[in-house]
Amino acid sequence: AQSVAQPEDQVNVAEGNPLTVKCTYSVSGNPYLFWYVQYPNRGLQFLLKYITGDNLVKGSYGFEAEFNKSQTSFHLKKPSALVSDSALYVCAVRDNSGYALNFGKGTSLLVTP
Amino acid sequence: EAGVAQSPRYKIIEKRQSVAFWCNPISGHATLYWYQQILGQGPKLLIQFQNNGVVDDSQLPKDRFSAERLKGVDSTLKIQPAKLEDSAVYLCASSTIRVSGYTFGSGTRLTVV
Repeated sequence: AQSVAQPEDQVNVAEGNPLTVKCTYSVSGNPYLFWYVQYPNRGLQFLLKYITGDNLVKGSYGFEAEFNKSQTSFHLKKPSALVSDSALYVCAVRDNSGYALNFGKGTSLLVTP
Repeated sequence: EAGVAQSPRYKIIEKRQSVAFWCNPISGHATLYWYQQILGQGPKLLIQFQNNGVVDDSQLPKDRFSAERLKGVDSTLKIQPAKLEDSAVYLCASSTIRVSGYTFGSGTRLTVV
């Protein structure tokens, strides 16, 4: 089965500093990878996805992610963090059989002023 | 286009009571998913429908949870009887067949007391 792992429960970063939220994947075949963000009491919001092509994927709100096949990673990045970026970030991989999304456990990002 | 509609937004019930959630997917989306999201964690797939057939219900606690999708459109998810550990947000999502995009509803927050 396709799966993702998010090794950090929480990431703390100061406003203005670069941020990275880590995700590694385990798949058979080519991975379809996604990042979602969830603000308190809100639904899941799509940030970006990797299907094929350029390994650097640009998404919403200034976020980007780098697909690394050799390290089986899909880390989420932003050059300069904002306090408003504080939220739960969830990585997901599309299952190759039924096409459902399999999510990681999520990483809580806290950006301090 | 209209998004995925879910109701109710919030529900508080006592343990051993029953509850039902409703989802209306995006028009034309053949595939519908129900996810359970425990606070601070990533969503877990409960059941996946394609049209009105079940594709995957391997993680659905069938002794208490049931779901149906009549006529391949709306879906309901039921819990009977509810347990304290069922407290979570229940998310509905839809997609076209084999598409790489998914649309999530705002979810129903269930509290079992």
